[in-house]
Amino acid sequence: NAGVTQTPKFRVLKTGQSMTLLCAQDMNHEYMYWYRQDPGMGLRLIHYSVGEGTTAKGEVPDGYNVSRLKKQNFLLGLESAAPSQTSVYFCASSYSRDRGLDYGYTFGSGTRLTVV
Amino acid sequence: AQSVTQLGSHVSVSEGALVLLRCNYSSSVPPYLFWYVQYPNQGLQLLLKYTSAATLVKGINGFEAEFKKSETSFHLTKPSAHMSDAAEYFCAVTLGGASKIIFGSGTRLSIRP
Repeated sequence: NAGVTQTPKFRVLKTGQSMTLLCAQDMNHEYMYWYRQDPGMGLRLIHYSVGEGTTAKGEVPDGYNVSRLKKQNFLLGLESAAPSQTSVYFCASSYSRDRGLDYGYTFGSGTRLTVV
Repeated sequence: AQSVTQLGSHVSVSEGALVLLRCNYSSSVPPYLFWYVQYPNQGLQLLLKYTSAATLVKGINGFEAEFKKSETSFHLTKPSAHMSDAAEYFCAVTLGGASKIIFGSGTRLSIRP
């Protein structure tokens, strides 16, 4: 099915471990985003990308890195996981600015990460 | 910078009653506004959007929202709640030409039988 696919869906990490979350979209969208969702805080933007090879910081970028080597993939990395990074992570994608506003974002189903 | 404030983290209504979820925005220029819905264990889905055309916007599943510049509000309503409306609802804002959307903290809607 067309859309945004996130892997893995669940993960438990120990403090200090590293991991990479993968987001893949097959809609030829230019823009991609990583959000984290925490109770009572809504969705907060971590990093985003407006095209292949580009990335930019969002509201809460510290402790995360991203890469967009291919247009369809957007990777979120945690180099040294901390308990404060326990959250649900959502990837989203959209067409370029104007078309993104017309059609909204397409979201993945999320990755639930627990850091112990 | 633009932002949105959702009043009430949890709203509970009876089945068949009016649903009203409140959202106020802050923006120095006319914004674009959105409502998204999130069902349990799923990602967000676009419910409706305001992009400076009609001030009353109709969305999916019988929801609508009215943009009121004088009140800086974009409240979401539905005349008659259904059990399937139970979900979390997010208001969001962006500026024309911007590449990212800012989300509110969300309102969880519960429906009583």
